[in-house]
Amino acid sequence: IAGITQAPTSQILAAGRRMTLRCTQDMRHNAMYWYRQDLGLGLRLIHYSNTAGTTGKGEVPDGYSVSRANTDDFPLTLASAVPSQTSVYFCASSDSGQSYNEQFFGPGTRLTVL
Amino acid sequence: GQNIDQPTEMTATEGAIVQINCTYQTSGFNGLFWYQQHAGEAPTFLSYNVLDGLEEKGRFSSFLSRSKGYSYLLLKELQMKDSASYLCAVLDSNYQLIWGAGTKLIIKP
Repeated sequence: IAGITQAPTSQILAAGRRMTLRCTQDMRHNAMYWYRQDLGLGLRLIHYSNTAGTTGKGEVPDGYSVSRANTDDFPLTLASAVPSQTSVYFCASSDSGQSYNEQFFGPGTRLTVL
Repeated sequence: GQNIDQPTEMTATEGAIVQINCTYQTSGFNGLFWYQQHAGEAPTFLSYNVLDGLEEKGRFSSFLSRSKGYSYLLLKELQMKDSASYLCAVLDSNYQLIWGAGTKLIIKP
């Protein structure tokens, strides 16, 4: 693995179903983030984690949950998907939560909720 | 509220120079980032400014004026591969990045 990987690449999901988006990084970065990107809007932060074992809410956390059991993995779970959660989801990491450092992004997961 | 404004779309000619502006109103300021995002791909880091002035990095330069809440990204000697969206983002007082919607740059031969 080099950098950040996300899985799946894309997914079509029925409304009401549970879905976990996976994110793994091998850069030993302390901080990780989940964003959604919608047409005409900027990236919006869903949840973040400044270090393993801690998480925080971003701008649009409702309907999503995260966990950070270790440094490398930061899964995002949609407990009961709704059509408004159709979006492209990006996971990112940086060397520090109070970050003057650049964020490195994964390739994204394109999610469609029908 | 927090707000980042950038033009939605710009068009420029191969070999020319283009300036992409960004204005911001945020709760606190801990630096401003520019990212490049090609269609269907992830954003990649271009520049970071925290002090006023111009930072030059090859064909790309970024300028910041904190008193005006203003930044620009200057791209010189445009190449077709520069066709992409350019995202402006501000690190606020909580050290969270607030993102603009991005400027889609179209390069014509």
